Amino acid sequence: DTGVSQNPRHKITKRGQNVTFRCDPISEHNRLYWYRQTLGQGPEFLTYFQNEAQLEKSRLLSDRFSAERPKGSFSTLEIQRTEQGDSAMYLCASRMKGQMNTEAFFGQGTRLTVV
Amino acid sequence: ELKVEQNPLFLSMQEGKNYTIYCNYSTTSDRLYWYRQDPGKSLESLFVLLSNGAVKQEGRLMASLDTKARLSTLHITAAVHDLSATYFCAVPALRTQGGSEKLVFGKGTKLTVNP
Repeated sequence: DTGVSQNPRHKITKRGQNVTFRCDPISEHNRLYWYRQTLGQGPEFLTYFQNEAQLEKSRLLSDRFSAERPKGSFSTLEIQRTEQGDSAMYLCASRMKGQMNTEAFFGQGTRLTVV
Repeated sequence: ELKVEQNPLFLSMQEGKNYTIYCNYSTTSDRLYWYRQDPGKSLESLFVLLSNGAVKQEGRLMASLDTKARLSTLHITAAVHDLSATYFCAVPALRTQGGSEKLVFGKGTKLTVNP
């Protein structure tokens, strides 16, 4: 499979627990994005990596959220001390740098439910 | 700050009819993307519009871009049930600190095509 892969697909957690999601981008893509989508809304940008460097973070990203992309390959998004408001679909996307005419390709998403 | 507005947000139409979805955005951009999302699924790229006057067609869908008016349209011709989905337009934010070109999405148009 050469698309963007995300794991797990679904996660149910109790409030206050920590969760971690993984994203494997398309192998030759050096740009990686995390977005969050709540019901009835479009995706909202969370953070951006170029290779292993995290170059941009949204103001939406509270201190409880942290993302990494070691070695510029896969990425993880961790949420600490989850709250009910964190319930959403977390989408990862990747894109090739340097080509203006390419779109971002999205993974299947991880649906988080905080109970 | 870039804002993207779509209308209508909900569209119920009969098979065989035509309709147009509109996407307006607030700041200059040279590109626009259309995505389709089925319930519980991720986003599938439909069209990449790269320049003023760009028009692309795929099956019963045709998208166009007018960068001067900051307007894109997605026209549906002779709708069929399989087109039922949520359609998002997305515009890249071109002048961000980290150079992400993050996508700013509209709220989506939920299309239901009835037999």
